[in-house]
Amino acid sequence: AQTVTQSQPEMSVQEAETVTLSCTYDTSESDYYLFWYKQPPSRQMILVIRQEAYKQQNATENRFSVNFQKAAKSFSLKISDSQLGDAAMYFCAPNNAGNMLTFGGGTRLMVKP
Amino acid sequence: EAGVAQSPRYKIIEKRQSVAFWCNPISGHATLYWYQQILGQGPKLLIQFQNNGVVDDSQLPKDRFSAERLKGVDSTLKIQPAKLEDSAVYLCASTGGGTVFTEQYFGPGTRLTVT
Repeated sequence: AQTVTQSQPEMSVQEAETVTLSCTYDTSESDYYLFWYKQPPSRQMILVIRQEAYKQQNATENRFSVNFQKAAKSFSLKISDSQLGDAAMYFCAPNNAGNMLTFGGGTRLMVKP
Repeated sequence: EAGVAQSPRYKIIEKRQSVAFWCNPISGHATLYWYQQILGQGPKLLIQFQNNGVVDDSQLPKDRFSAERLKGVDSTLKIQPAKLEDSAVYLCASTGGGTVFTEQYFGPGTRLTVT
């Protein structure tokens, strides 16, 4: 079974600044992906970024990047140049061979103008 | 491309009543998931379908929850009888074929309140 820990229930960032959301996980899978999903108040889960566990290079997607430390089972999300629209719940989730996701408890990100 | 559709968006029922949720995945997506998201928590997988067959339902409370995907397209999730602790958002997601490591696309969810 997989477990996911997001140790920051809430984070706050000033508009245009950078913020990092942390995630640690435990898995027995040898090959897997890791995902960060964003859930705004509308409840629609939106994929932010994904990382293939066998790739050492950290994934980047515009203002979003990850710091993936496989040995430490750590998968943090960095948001650069934060915008008001980034305010949402963020969930970290590894998958397994059956592509089933295990979600962490989430981090609520607030962006101050 | 139309996204994952769910209905209703909101439902309020009394405990011991029954309720059903509907999900229509993205066209052509073979795999469909139902998640339960209790307020303040991350989503928890209830059941996964591959076409019209169940892949995993190990976390589905089968004494009161049931789900079906008869024609391998849309799906319904039913709760009978509902308990107060079933109050949650029920999310449906789908994904296409090919590699198993593909992005799940989520619907807007159904918020259930049991009083």
